[in-house]
Amino acid sequence: NAGVTQTPKFRVLKTGQSMTLLCAQDMNHEYMYWYRQDPGMGLRLIHYSVGEGTTAKGEVPDGYNVSRLKKQNFLLGLESAAPSQTSVYFCASSLDRADYGYTFGSGTRLTVV
Amino acid sequence: SQQGEEDPQALSIQEGENATMNCSYKTSINNLQWYRQNSGRGLVHLILIRSNEREKHSGRLRVTLDTSKKSSSLLITASRAADTASYFCATGIQGAQKLVFGQGTRLTINP
Repeated sequence: NAGVTQTPKFRVLKTGQSMTLLCAQDMNHEYMYWYRQDPGMGLRLIHYSVGEGTTAKGEVPDGYNVSRLKKQNFLLGLESAAPSQTSVYFCASSLDRADYGYTFGSGTRLTVV
Repeated sequence: SQQGEEDPQALSIQEGENATMNCSYKTSINNLQWYRQNSGRGLVHLILIRSNEREKHSGRLRVTLDTSKKSSSLLITASRAADTASYFCATGIQGAQKLVFGQGTRLTINP
């Protein structure tokens, strides 16, 4: 099994551009999450989904949108990128809630110039 | 502020020594989890300990949980160079649908 796959792995955007990060999991997990990781800040939750067709805000949702049209995919969108969104983005999935371990993707390193 | 806070922020030891990292948290939890992150990679789940458990082992890993002190520790015995990584604790808060991660401990194993 591939687990959790994130695309792209690297991206450079200009301020104001938009992009979508794709997360795909093949483990039939219900829960999916988007985190960002910044130096000294640990992982901060952006948005999450508890099942197909559902999304919810996390700790730092501003400037991001998400969609979970299919159970296996969780998309993170940046409508108008800002330098403050320069970060490493991680997608994760879990079988059920926070009572199980998360499986993480390998990350997307995004730079906004 | 963060729910989980690791201590120390950085730890450097010699290969073969034991490494101990601590995690403190603020609110009641269902479980506490530890993850490892190698440089430039995603996080890997190591171990989960539930709120009604006090100690758990997995290979060279030993995790303890003290809910009265709201703290946990991760012990790695007989460290190896391959253990060099950042280690994060994450808490599954009661009633929540998500984990909250701490800022991590950066562990360096010197040969």
